[in-house]
Amino acid sequence: NAGVTQTPKFRVLKTGQSMTLLCAQDMNHEYMYWYRQDPGMGLRLIHYSVGEGTTAKGEVPDGYNVSRLKKQNFLLGLESAAPSQTSVYFCASSHLAGFEQYFGPGTRLTVT
Amino acid sequence: KQEVTQIPAALSVPEGENLVLNCSFTDSAIYNLQWFRQDPGKGLTSLLLIQSSQREQTSGRLNASLDKSSGRSTLYIAASQPGDSATYLCAVRKETSGSRLTFGEGTQLTVNP
Repeated sequence: NAGVTQTPKFRVLKTGQSMTLLCAQDMNHEYMYWYRQDPGMGLRLIHYSVGEGTTAKGEVPDGYNVSRLKKQNFLLGLESAAPSQTSVYFCASSHLAGFEQYFGPGTRLTVT
Repeated sequence: KQEVTQIPAALSVPEGENLVLNCSFTDSAIYNLQWFRQDPGKGLTSLLLIQSSQREQTSGRLNASLDKSSGRSTLYIAASQPGDSATYLCAVRKETSGSRLTFGEGTQLTVNP
């Protein structure tokens, strides 16, 4: 039981490049989330999903897109990376709303 | 807008000491509150989830209390150990937001041998 996994662990992008972060969970959770963590800002919710085929905006959604084609996977895309998107990205999942959230190990992204 | 504050930002204690970490939130209309631990360069590990109707939750040497009306929660760690060194984060879930968590910036704890 791997819990929540994230791919890749590290990535360096140049401004304007695109990439996709993959999150996978094997706990059969309905809800999945993408957060970013920045010094002095704490963790902030980017997008989330309440089930397969659904997505919703969080606190800081601009510049990101997401997809939940399969229940176990939640993808975060950056279409045109900007230096302001340099951050550590965390994926999380929970059984339902209000339940404990379980986090992945994070992806450290640097945009130059 | 919900704001979550954790004081102090950093705390250093000798091994064996009992300690309290504080978390305050501005909007008392919360569904529950979750305490996490984050080790350097790692993800978050859930420690305790305390529902708005509960006063406290315990897990081993950890005890979390919640005073919803005053907007406060505390995490009590008994008999601290060097392995407890980490950043501790609290997060609140607002009643109307369902699953969204609002995080504090954390307290960085160092337990010295």
